[in-house]
Amino acid sequence: DQQVKQNSPSLSVQEGRISILNCDYTNSMFDYFLWYKKYPAEGPTFLISISSIKDKNEDGRFTVFLNKSAKHLSLHIVPSQPGDSAVYFCAASEDNNDMRFGAGTRLTVKP
Amino acid sequence: ETGVTQTPRHLVMGMTNKKSLKCEQHLGHNAMYWYKQSAKKPLELMFVYNFKEQTENNSVPSRFSPECPNSSHLFLHLHTLQPEDSALYLCASRGQPNQPQHFGDGTRLSIL
Repeated sequence: DQQVKQNSPSLSVQEGRISILNCDYTNSMFDYFLWYKKYPAEGPTFLISISSIKDKNEDGRFTVFLNKSAKHLSLHIVPSQPGDSAVYFCAASEDNNDMRFGAGTRLTVKP
Repeated sequence: ETGVTQTPRHLVMGMTNKKSLKCEQHLGHNAMYWYKQSAKKPLELMFVYNFKEQTENNSVPSRFSPECPNSSHLFLHLHTLQPEDSALYLCASRGQPNQPQHFGDGTRLSIL
């Protein structure tokens, strides 16, 4: 049972434009959400997180939005840069339990 | 440098071989994890250790055997693996609950 889903396996965006990566989840008890970024031949690195008590968290060019009623999470990157090209994973956890990951979305930012 | 080191980075082995994957973290974390990542699939949680005690085993076949001798080291012993076990194996560690996990760069395992 896949509790965290990233339905878009890939996304291509022009440099300078906004990238929007989406994630849906089924477990309404999830209370902590994260985005990880993964370059080839490296492990995932933590990017940004959000607690369920918030609906937005911003860190520089990266903003995560949480819509609890829709069980939907999104990551906005603006402006997108070629160095942002990577695979992005969303993850969620419930009550300090272990995280569940989506399958990832490959973002390509074209110069 | 994430503070989590995995060796080897690549491993090719036959189905009858025995090998071990090693993970070491220098972050003072108390929880360590093994994940399996197959192509185009979510990361699959395999094992969890908290304070050296195994707290989760997600129905992983017995041909995978974890070992956590101390809170800084984690091993995954491999024995008579199958071709479908070929994947990227990632180790992670975490400090406090609701803090992000820190990942190593993984071991790319190929079973012949």
